Amino acid sequence: GAGVSQSPSNKVTEKGKDVELRCDPISGHTALYWYRQSLGQGLEFLIYFQGNSAPDKSGLPSDRFSAERTGGSVSTLTIQRTQQEDSAVYLCASSADRERGGYTFGSGTRLTVV
Amino acid sequence: AQSVTQLGSHVSVSEGALVLLRCNYSSSVPPYLFWYVQYPNQGLQLLLKYTSAATLVKGINGFEAEFKKSETSFHLTKPSAHMSDAAEYFCAAYNQGGKLIFGQGTELSVKP
Repeated sequence: GAGVSQSPSNKVTEKGKDVELRCDPISGHTALYWYRQSLGQGLEFLIYFQGNSAPDKSGLPSDRFSAERTGGSVSTLTIQRTQQEDSAVYLCASSADRERGGYTFGSGTRLTVV
Repeated sequence: AQSVTQLGSHVSVSEGALVLLRCNYSSSVPPYLFWYVQYPNQGLQLLLKYTSAATLVKGINGFEAEFKKSETSFHLTKPSAHMSDAAEYFCAAYNQGGKLIFGQGTELSVKP
């Protein structure tokens, strides 16, 4: 597609439920990133996929968070047993291998845990 | 560890006034540096980037930033603010770790 697509755009879930957030990157972009944006907290790195390499999971805040990228394209971020502190905007970005930081971001998924 | 610091979480200017948003980075090796803008309920959009070519970088919407190695700074400026510039601005650095490290963001308000 022309841009990075994220779905859903908004998600309200009950505490303790699992949620899946989807990211469809720009076709041909080998790198895919997930960030979390909380109110007043800036952007927090979560996980990074680069081609067929093992993902960099160093930013995942707990073992309740996981992500996968199937076929080098679509990625799903899963949060298990959601907590209220998980409420945030989850942003996905992709980039071509050589763009060194020139990411294209999606519009994000706003997650609210009630 | 790489870090990016933006001075001032909120900056307010009058329409037509100079915009100056401050960013400092910490790294022993000058990284690639970026400014992104985020309008309400939207994702981040790249404004400009420094990749070790010219130290003065021009971006979209009349913004520019100057890389100063001696000050480890990459401040964003615009000579004359417009109402449409009201948004949140993020400075970011990319290094050999393969990912962008973002500052905390600065919210720019423009008064008529």
